[in-house]
Amino acid sequence: GNSVTQMEGPVTLSEEAFLTINCTYTATGYPSLFWYVQYPGEGLQLLLKATKADDKGSNKGFEATYRKETTSFHLEKGSVQVSDSAVYFCALSDRRNTGFQKLVFGTGTRLLVSP
Amino acid sequence: DAMVIQNPRYQVTQFGKPVTLSCSQTLNHNVMYWYQQKSSQAPKLLFHYYDKDFNNEADTPDNFQSRRPNTSFCFLDIRSPGLGDAAMYLCATSRDHTGVLNQPQHFGDGTRLSIL
Repeated sequence: GNSVTQMEGPVTLSEEAFLTINCTYTATGYPSLFWYVQYPGEGLQLLLKATKADDKGSNKGFEATYRKETTSFHLEKGSVQVSDSAVYFCALSDRRNTGFQKLVFGTGTRLLVSP
Repeated sequence: DAMVIQNPRYQVTQFGKPVTLSCSQTLNHNVMYWYQQKSSQAPKLLFHYYDKDFNNEADTPDNFQSRRPNTSFCFLDIRSPGLGDAAMYLCATSRDHTGVLNQPQHFGDGTRLSIL
């Protein structure tokens, strides 16, 4: 079945450092790819998405490019802030025969940014 | 303003004692989802409602049930909670059934369930 693999955390960085969180996927067909973020004590929020190969999703300084050849969707940010500390989930959409698209999540990567 | 509201944020119940978790939404979305998220694991879809149509995931235990009395509310019932059911339960909504692409899922803040 379809699956998502993320790098294990926590990822610990100093403020203004460059961030990369790796995500690779296994899927049949052409899924859409997503990054969700979960801040402490809150629910998941959609951070960015890409719907086809070579698409780049971006939001709040974060970006990720849908790489079909390497089946990857790595999350990057040029300069992290303390407020970016959260858990980041990579996910793909898994289309069912009914048309319903189920989200398949990775296990999440915790990011800790220190001043 | 919170758009997907889950109550309570923390719930403690006894082994085998039925428990109900609540979710409400102000978005008027057609689809409501329940996920289970255990510590350091990915959220796992339990079931979803498209309007009044209930859709169970194949591997969701019979112990888990759901009710959706109207568009705004959806409940998760655990009939006889076991220790392995301790987890964060997340409710989410989306406008329609056929497109995660342009219709993102909106999540509540979750209910953390503990079993004594």
